[in-house]
Formats: sequence, C-alpha cells, structure tokens
Amino acid sequence: EAGVAQSPRYKIIEKRQSVAFWCNPISGHATLYWYQQILGQGPKLLIQFQNNGVVDDSQLPKDRFSAERLKGVDSTLKIQPAKLEDSAVYLCASSLDLSGEQFFGPGTRLTVL
Amino acid sequence: GENVEQHPSTLSVQEGDSAVIKCTYSDSASNYFPWYKQELGKRPQLIIDIRSNVGEKKDQRIAVTLNKTAKHFSLHITETQPEDSAVYFCAATPVNTGFQKLVFGTGTRLLVSP
Repeated sequence: EAGVAQSPRYKIIEKRQSVAFWCNPISGHATLYWYQQILGQGPKLLIQFQNNGVVDDSQLPKDRFSAERLKGVDSTLKIQPAKLEDSAVYLCASSLDLSGEQFFGPGTRLTVL
Repeated sequence: GENVEQHPSTLSVQEGDSAVIKCTYSDSASNYFPWYKQELGKRPQLIIDIRSNVGEKKDQRIAVTLNKTAKHFSLHITETQPEDSAVYFCAATPVNTGFQKLVFGTGTRLLVSP
C-alpha cells in the first residue's frame, strides 16, 4: 500500500513569511497527526485529527500555526508569520483509528532565515 | 502531562555486540510504549511496541522490557549489525477510550561499527 505522502520535501523562507505543508495519509486512515521535529529532538505532536475534527491541538501555537482537514482526507499545516525557531522537520503521520499504529510520512524540512 | 527521558544520547558498539537504550516516563497512566527507528533523512518507523499488561516482548533480535513500578522501559538489540545504525526514539502515551497522544524521548544515536 502507498505510504503517507508529504509535500514539499524542502522549503526555505525568510522570517515573517508564510508557508504551507500538505499531507495525504494512507487510504482509509481516519486519524492524522502533525508533528514538529527540531534537530536533535524527538517529534512533538502539534495537532491530531479524527476524520475532519480536531482531537487535540493543545501544543499548536495558534497565534501563528493553523491546520485543517476539511474533507477528512488530506491536510494542510500553515505557519504565518514564520519565526527562526520554526526551523524543523514537519512530519505527518496517520493511523487507522485513534489507537492504531502511526505511520509517518517523509517530512518537510523547513528552514527559516 | 507526560514527560519521557531517554538515555544514552549516543551509543557506539561493535558489530555483534548488544545495545540497550533506556527510557523513563512520568505519567503512571501511560500504558502504550512504542519504539521508532529513524535512519538519517528518513521517516520514523515503528520497530516494536509494548503495552502495560506485559513485561517483555521480543521480535527476533530486538526486545523491549517494561517496569511499570519504576516507570521505565528499555530497548534491547542483540547481535547488532551495521544496518542497525540509526536514531532510536522511545515514546509513551496513555490510551484512554482509544485516544493516544505520543510523547517522544530525545532519541539515541546508535552507531554499529563493522
């Protein structure tokens, strides 16, 4: 089966610019996660969707980050405006349901200059 | 909330040796503990997991042990091979009513030398 797809793979922007990342989960997976992985650290959960509803966004910096999964399949994560400390790899993951194994995408490496 | 600590941060072994990575967690409600392997520039992949109703789980050369009383769990890799070289992350979460919220450790970089 096809894995989790993400685009773009790399993005370089200047601070205060905006950026968007796209994720396509494994077909049939109801749960979708966005993680931020700063260099040298483990992934940190930003937001979790179940179908098109938000399950947990307690660690999402809502003043600058937003995410949506309007039709319960693909998802986008946006940062506006970006800060230097947002430089990280943004990983999308999906699972069959809320308690299932999480499968990760290849990630988007964001560099904010 | 949950906090996961992982040690060591780097581990170098000779091919054929065993490697052990240890994690401690803070939330006694956590009952699911997966381990992920992340090769350089690639996505994390689940290699083994354990739930709190068992103390040990083994899959070929890898095993995980869990001590709920002490709130720590460990990854054991025997007969290490160069292709085991990667960063390994532990994670913990309570799974309540089917909901999981993984908290990851900071990772261990394992280097297996031929």
